[in-house]
Amino acid sequence: DGGITQSPKYLFRKEGQNVTLSCEQNLNHDAMYWYRQDPGQGLRLIYYSQIVNDFQKGDIAEGYSVSREKKESFPLTVTSAQKNPTAFYLCASSISGTGYQPQHFGDGTRLSIL
Amino acid sequence: RKEVEQDPGPFNVPEGATVAFNCTYSNSASQSFFWYRQDCRKEPKLLMSVYSSGNEDGRFTAQLNRASQYISLLIRDSKLSDSATYLCVVSPASGTYKYIFGTGTRLKVLA
Repeated sequence: DGGITQSPKYLFRKEGQNVTLSCEQNLNHDAMYWYRQDPGQGLRLIYYSQIVNDFQKGDIAEGYSVSREKKESFPLTVTSAQKNPTAFYLCASSISGTGYQPQHFGDGTRLSIL
Repeated sequence: RKEVEQDPGPFNVPEGATVAFNCTYSNSASQSFFWYRQDCRKEPKLLMSVYSSGNEDGRFTAQLNRASQYISLLIRDSKLSDSATYLCVVSPASGTYKYIFGTGTRLKVLA
């Protein structure tokens, strides 16, 4: 079955630690996105990528980094510079980055501070 | 004014009722519109795209009103399983990466 796989489902970060969230898709989609959702709030865009080896900052990129070395993969690193990382992180993809097609989401990673 | 606004609810309705949600958007150049469903502590799932002519999928009907800048979602014959948060998503302009998410409308269908 085609889809988006995020791992792990739950992740705990210690002070000063960097952690990496995995996102893999086998939908052959060009565009991939990372969002953060806090309780009772809407989704906020962290980073997006329209093609391999290219990505752009979203609205809340500070304290995060990404890479897009393969079409299928778009890992997100939450660095120690992100002081409030506790949230639900969602990876999404769409056929292209034009905005005409809907996004499809992975089942998310919940990140908490130890 | 927020770019995409939704009434947070909750809308509490009995099983079998018809319920409608609206979502307003501020950018008149917006191109694409979508409704997603999000269950508690789960990822959003695409419910339907919204086309200019309106579209229907079973008990769900979506409409777009460009003149008044809103989209609507109508659910007929509500089921207990329809209980969820419904997110409105707008893509502001062509050739853009950006999807703007509303904060969602919470629906509770009561037995």
